[in-house]
Amino acid sequence: KQEVTQIPAALSVPEGENLVLNCSFTDSAIYNLQWFRQDPGKGLTSLLLIQSSQREQTSGRLNASLDKSSGRSTLYIAASQPGDSATYLCAPWGNNAGNMLTFGGGTRLMVKP
Amino acid sequence: EPEVTQTPSHQVTQMGQEVILRCVPISNHLYFYWYRQILGQKVEFLVSFYNNEISEKSEIFDDQFSVERPDGSNFTLKIRSTKLEDSAMYFCASVAGQGDWNTEAFFGQGTRLTVV
Repeated sequence: KQEVTQIPAALSVPEGENLVLNCSFTDSAIYNLQWFRQDPGKGLTSLLLIQSSQREQTSGRLNASLDKSSGRSTLYIAASQPGDSATYLCAPWGNNAGNMLTFGGGTRLMVKP
Repeated sequence: EPEVTQTPSHQVTQMGQEVILRCVPISNHLYFYWYRQILGQKVEFLVSFYNNEISEKSEIFDDQFSVERPDGSNFTLKIRSTKLEDSAMYFCASVAGQGDWNTEAFFGQGTRLTVV
């Protein structure tokens, strides 16, 4: 069974800082990995998809890396802004664990102006 | 941009009643999912659906739950005889698929179900 852990659980930073959010997963036989953003009480917005053959994916100020063999992914947020405040969820798409996304508990980010 | 649409956004029901949560996936997508998120907890997989049948389901998805795609566009989750512990946000997702799992999952905005 796939287990996904995200560290830290919560993070509060001043505006402008560069951030690193970490995700680890136990079953490395995955098809891909997605990072999502969730605002309080809202749905899941897909930020980045990293396919199993890729090591990195970039979108604007966001960069995600994937190391399948070690079961790790990192989301890097450059020059953070108050509008980045949200919960960030990591979700690998399983292979052995079944063809579905398995979610971590998320990192709750607060960026202070 | 195409999006997954869920209705209603919020539903309050009495314990023991049946509820139907509705989703309109992205057109031409082939794989459909229901997930739920109890307040303060992780998003959990419930069921996947492909080619008009269930592909996989979790331990949570017991006989109380059922899914169907009645008209080729809507994808519904029915919960019979709701319990207090069914209170959660329910998310629908769709994936283009076509046998290639290296594709992005798109989620709806969710239905908040409150059982009283």
